[in-house]
Amino acid sequence: DSGVTQTPKHLITATGQRVTLRCSPRSGDLSVYWYQQSLDQGLQFLIQYYNGEERAKGNILERFSAQQFPDLHSELNLSSLELGDSALYFCASSVAGAGRINEQFFGPGTRLTVL
Amino acid sequence: DAKTTQPPSMDCAEGRAANLPCNHSTISGNEYVYWYRQIHSQGPQYIIHGLKNNETNEMASLIITEDRKSSTLILPHATLRDTAVYYCIVRGAGGTSYGKLTFGQGTILTVHP
Repeated sequence: DSGVTQTPKHLITATGQRVTLRCSPRSGDLSVYWYQQSLDQGLQFLIQYYNGEERAKGNILERFSAQQFPDLHSELNLSSLELGDSALYFCASSVAGAGRINEQFFGPGTRLTVL
Repeated sequence: DAKTTQPPSMDCAEGRAANLPCNHSTISGNEYVYWYRQIHSQGPQYIIHGLKNNETNEMASLIITEDRKSSTLILPHATLRDTAVYYCIVRGAGGTSYGKLTFGQGTILTVHP
């Protein structure tokens, strides 16, 4: 158990819909990261937040957005869903500080299926 | 970030040491080598990282060559539960995009009885 929790575990929805994925980082971790893993693209970084502020962006679509709240939990919002958005979405967290910022602890993931 | 090259797959007998190589010939002086693994559809798991010295923890050892152009992750006594995809990642510890891990294809390690 990494200490990172994600809900829901599974999500099945239809094209065009909007969903929200939730992540609670490990106690004390200020950085939260979101990754997408699909069969054809592998594991890809989407976005990073640090103490409520966006820090880095990766291959995140404009239809996707995220935020980190004052209690440090984070939400990833996916809208106008397409079949290709079906994937595993992972959240990770880490402590601050040089060298350890890349020592990330991943949650169990949310499996999104778009029908 | 420096590009890494790993063999696509490796086999190992249970109880033996698993030695997973990684080439990172373009690594720069302030970049670390990180190893993660992913057991089928679970979240990736951090294993170990190092800068230039060899490192050991309860999971594995990391051997980095003197010129830092390659490294080897060693699982000293592999078990069936070590069957996973192993990722070697080279990253700097600072800068505007620190924390953004780039996962390649990794090495599929299969431990067999």
